[in-house]
Amino acid sequence: GQNIDQPTEMTATEGAIVQINCTYQTSGFNGLFWYQQHAGEAPTFLSYNVLDGLEEKGRFSSFLSRSKGYSYLLLKELQMKDSASYLCAVLDSNYQLIWGAGTKLIIKP
Amino acid sequence: DAMVIQNPRYQVTQFGKPVTLSCSQTLNHNVMYWYQQKSSQAPKLLFHYYDKDFNNEADTPDNFQSRRPNTSFCFLDIRSPGLGDAAMYLCATSRDKGQGPDTQYFGPGTRLTVL
Repeated sequence: GQNIDQPTEMTATEGAIVQINCTYQTSGFNGLFWYQQHAGEAPTFLSYNVLDGLEEKGRFSSFLSRSKGYSYLLLKELQMKDSASYLCAVLDSNYQLIWGAGTKLIIKP
Repeated sequence: DAMVIQNPRYQVTQFGKPVTLSCSQTLNHNVMYWYQQKSSQAPKLLFHYYDKDFNNEADTPDNFQSRRPNTSFCFLDIRSPGLGDAAMYLCATSRDKGQGPDTQYFGPGTRLTVL
């Protein structure tokens, strides 16, 4: 079966750095997405990785290792507004998006 | 601004009373998706349209139906809502499917409560 694993919840301090990990086992791979979802709102697109390596976009970076079936989302200079769930999703061989359950990130002052 | 719009944002219905949720998009995307998301869970794909071509997920209950009368609009009909159907319903669009990775853009969602 297809599976996406992420930690259920993480806590970090305002101004710090946090890394949210995602491991996947899917039938084929056509890229990995990270979405941010604030409570009661729709997911919003953060990043897309299809090649190995690090993609940096402002305070957020996303890393992919296809051989390890692993990705992480790195958030720097954390702000209170970064409190949200972060969803990892993989596009499989049929271009179907397989979603993880999300990691709830709690930021403390 | 091009966007995905869902109405209503909050819907309350009674057990067994049919309800329709609507989604519209100004992105002119070919693909429209309906997801069900329960608290702290991953979005669950119910079905999607590639243009007029309807694709139903194998485990989507028959209680859920969809219509796409034109490119811009898509509707989710729940024929006889049960308590277990209370959830956030998310509509998403993507430019294309099957020809490369396409980002999905989501509407704000409709939170359905079943009494």
